Amino acid sequence: AQSVTQLGSHVSVSEGALVLLRCNYSSSVPPYLFWYVQYPNQGLQLLLKYTTGATLVKGINGFEAEFKKSETSFHLTKPSAHMSDAAEYFCAVSPARANSKLTFGKGITLSVRP
Amino acid sequence: SQTIHQWPATLVQPVGSPLSLECTVEGTSNPNLYWYRQAAGRGLQLLFYSVGIGQISSEVPQNLSASRPQDRQFILSSKKLLLSDSGFYLCAWRSAGGTGELFFGEGSRLTVL
Repeated sequence: AQSVTQLGSHVSVSEGALVLLRCNYSSSVPPYLFWYVQYPNQGLQLLLKYTTGATLVKGINGFEAEFKKSETSFHLTKPSAHMSDAAEYFCAVSPARANSKLTFGKGITLSVRP
Repeated sequence: SQTIHQWPATLVQPVGSPLSLECTVEGTSNPNLYWYRQAAGRGLQLLFYSVGIGQISSEVPQNLSASRPQDRQFILSSKKLLLSDSGFYLCAWRSAGGTGELFFGEGSRLTVL
């Protein structure tokens, strides 16, 4: 079985500051890992994913995440926050095989202060 | 390219009334289809998924049902809505046999009064 832990429900950063959103997962088999972003009253949009290969993955809007197997983590970062980054962010995990279910974390809300 | 649409975007329904939310996917064939619900502060809850026409798997017991009458059409229904059915409903698809990412629709906001 898989699970995802996103500690805390809200993170606030200043515009231009580093964004760090934490995600830890539990999986009994090699995982696929994902980050999604959701703006108010919209669906979820895929930011980036890790399947195999390079453990540092780059996504849209300047975000990146690093898969660390030893730490069972997949933290999301962005060097410099922009006001438009304010949204809710979800980490998700699935077993690394076809047609397996995604398990989502509870999400974390990012606020960006001017 | 593939697109997913769901409607209506917003609806307000009285308790005990029926519900029908529709989702269609374009630009792909034989997708896996999903219905999720987001209630305030409760994250994403998987309600139903389908791997083919007429094949529906239910994740949680409730007064909702789902149907897949066509390959790229997924419908969420209820005969009698409850207050607890209020929430943001999201349809999603992914390629059968792919690397697992889901692609979501725009969402439908349901308020039951």
